[in-house]
Amino acid sequence: AQSVTQLDSQVPVFEEAPVELRCNYSSSVSVYLFWYVQYPNQGLQLLLKYLSGSTLVESINGFEAEFNKSQTSFHLRKPSVHISDTAEYFCAVRKNSGNTPLVFGKGTRLSVIA
Amino acid sequence: GAVVSQHPSWVICKSGTSVKIECRSLDFQATTMFWYRQFPKQSLMLMATSNEGSKATYEQGVEKDKFLINHASLTLSTLTVTSAHPEDSSFYICSARPPQGAGEDEQFFGPGTRLTVL
Repeated sequence: AQSVTQLDSQVPVFEEAPVELRCNYSSSVSVYLFWYVQYPNQGLQLLLKYLSGSTLVESINGFEAEFNKSQTSFHLRKPSVHISDTAEYFCAVRKNSGNTPLVFGKGTRLSVIA
Repeated sequence: GAVVSQHPSWVICKSGTSVKIECRSLDFQATTMFWYRQFPKQSLMLMATSNEGSKATYEQGVEKDKFLINHASLTLSTLTVTSAHPEDSSFYICSARPPQGAGEDEQFFGPGTRLTVL
């Protein structure tokens, strides 16, 4: 079975500062990795994903995450955050074969302070 | 990306009544749909996996007679909370996945349904 650990439940950061949201996973088989974002009173939206190939993946709004197999991590980073980035961020994992569901971490609440 | 809708977006009901939540994939066929439950300030907990035309597979600890799931077509799955009680109050989220070979690596999520049982 897979599991995901998001070490920080809340991360406050000032506007235009960099941020890193940590995610570690556990799995005995190869996995796909995802970051989802949930804005207040909205559903989950896919932010970025790692399936294969380059270990550094980027989103259209400036976030990036790097898959590190040896450290079983998939940390999310942004060099300069905006107020509009305030949201809940969920790291998720699933086996890279078969029709298996996503397994989510507990989420990290990112609060950007003006 | 693909669109998944849920109806209703919120519902308030009396204890003991049943509530049906619909999940639809609007622009793709979903052979598999997932139902999650999210408690305040917590993560999404998988409740069940639903495959079109077959019985749902429930996660350990989820009462299948309490949470009835029907996946009658490739674009519609329903979750019925039977004899709802206040402890069933939660945010219910469905997710749909296209058939394998058609972007099957991604799950698309509905906006969620807020259930409040009085």
